[in-house]
Amino acid sequence: DARVTQTPRHKVTEMGQEVTMRCQPILGHNTVFWYRQTMMQGLELLAYFRNRAPLDDSGMPKDRFSAEMPDATLATLKIQPSEPRDSAVYFCASGLAGDRAETQYFGPGTRLLVL
Amino acid sequence: AQSVTQLGSHVSVSEGALVLLRCNYSSSVPPYLFWYVQYPNQGLQLLLKYTSAATLVKGINGFEAEFKKSETSFHLTKPSAHMSDAAEYFCAVGWRASNTGKLIFGQGTTLQVKP
Repeated sequence: DARVTQTPRHKVTEMGQEVTMRCQPILGHNTVFWYRQTMMQGLELLAYFRNRAPLDDSGMPKDRFSAEMPDATLATLKIQPSEPRDSAVYFCASGLAGDRAETQYFGPGTRLLVL
Repeated sequence: AQSVTQLGSHVSVSEGALVLLRCNYSSSVPPYLFWYVQYPNQGLQLLLKYTSAATLVKGINGFEAEFKKSETSFHLTKPSAHMSDAAEYFCAVGWRASNTGKLIFGQGTTLQVKP
């Protein structure tokens, strides 16, 4: 059963520290999405990639956030330096662009708490 | 521009009662439409999707949704609610000819099921 995996599942850190979240998309998928979910803002799209190339990262605070895909099996989202307002659940999703329905498959999320 | 509106951020039903979660979309091109469910502390899971094959779409766990172009709606229903249906539900729209797989998500509706 193919699934999107995310690590770590939980992260507690102090303000100013670097945080790196990792995502392994479903094998063969060519699009990867990063979302942030909070009670106040709901589900926000931060960035997405197709064939490892960034298509849009306009939802991401550029000064502290960065997203990359070093290879087709790994996507990373980095926050440096982290701030308390970054506390949220971060989801990765993958899909197959060109697929008729373009379904996105979500990982379990990384729950981040910045103190 | 594409958008999704979910009417009612919270819906409460009694166990065994009809579940109706409302979703309206705006799209300048023929859309793909999705319903996702999120259980506490989990990622989003696909419930069902509309891809133009049939206007009435059946999904998992007894849910179904009907695409009504004239009303630009894609409401989610289930004849009889179970306690296990308590979760947050998201409607999303994508569109054909997109080569990104990007979806626009609604704000979500929390379903409460009372015994």
